[in-house]
Amino acid sequence: AQKVTQAQTEISVVEKEDVTLDCVYETRDTTYYLFWYKQPPSGELVFLIRRNSFDEQNEISGRYSWNFQKSTSSFNFTITASQVVDSAVYFCALSERGKFGGNKLTFGGGTRVLVKP
Amino acid sequence: DAGVIQSPRHEVTEMGQEVTLRCKPISGHNSLFWYRQTMMRGLELLIYFNNNVPIDDSGMPEDRFSAKMPNASFSTLKIQPSEPRDSAVYFCASSIVPLAGVADTQYFGPGTRLTVL
Repeated sequence: AQKVTQAQTEISVVEKEDVTLDCVYETRDTTYYLFWYKQPPSGELVFLIRRNSFDEQNEISGRYSWNFQKSTSSFNFTITASQVVDSAVYFCALSERGKFGGNKLTFGGGTRVLVKP
Repeated sequence: DAGVIQSPRHEVTEMGQEVTLRCKPISGHNSLFWYRQTMMRGLELLIYFNNNVPIDDSGMPEDRFSAKMPNASFSTLKIQPSEPRDSAVYFCASSIVPLAGVADTQYFGPGTRLTVL
């Protein structure tokens, strides 16, 4: 069975500090996809990034960056120069290929990020 | 473009009553997912459809839960009879399944907060 672990339950930082969220996953699939979603206080789930298992190139998108290491089954996410609007719960998710298409997502427990002004 | 639409946004009902949650996926998407979010269990997949056909309902907790997708633009999740432990936020998500072997990204609706008294 697939599993996603986010060991950090809550992180508190001061605005402009960098925040790194840890994510460790378990899967038997050789091809899989990893996602990060953001859930702000308003409650909706917002897609942030997606990464496939055969591309370990790390990327930066604006203030977001991610570090995917297949050898350690980790998919960490960093917010650079955090802002108050970044305050939210962040979820790491792992996809599992369904029988007839589509992907089932297994979510981690989430990390609450609080950015103080 | 309209995102995933869910109704109602909030539902308060009494134990034993029937509850129907509704979802309209993003136009053109061919997969639809129902998730439940609780403090104790986090985000968990209940059921998902591909091309209006239920593919995997292994996450549906009990026979009291049922889901339908009569057409590509509408799905319902019904709980009958409802119980206090069903209180949760229910999310609907949709995606488009691209070529085989490529993962889709699921886009979530705003959720329905259900309270069963």
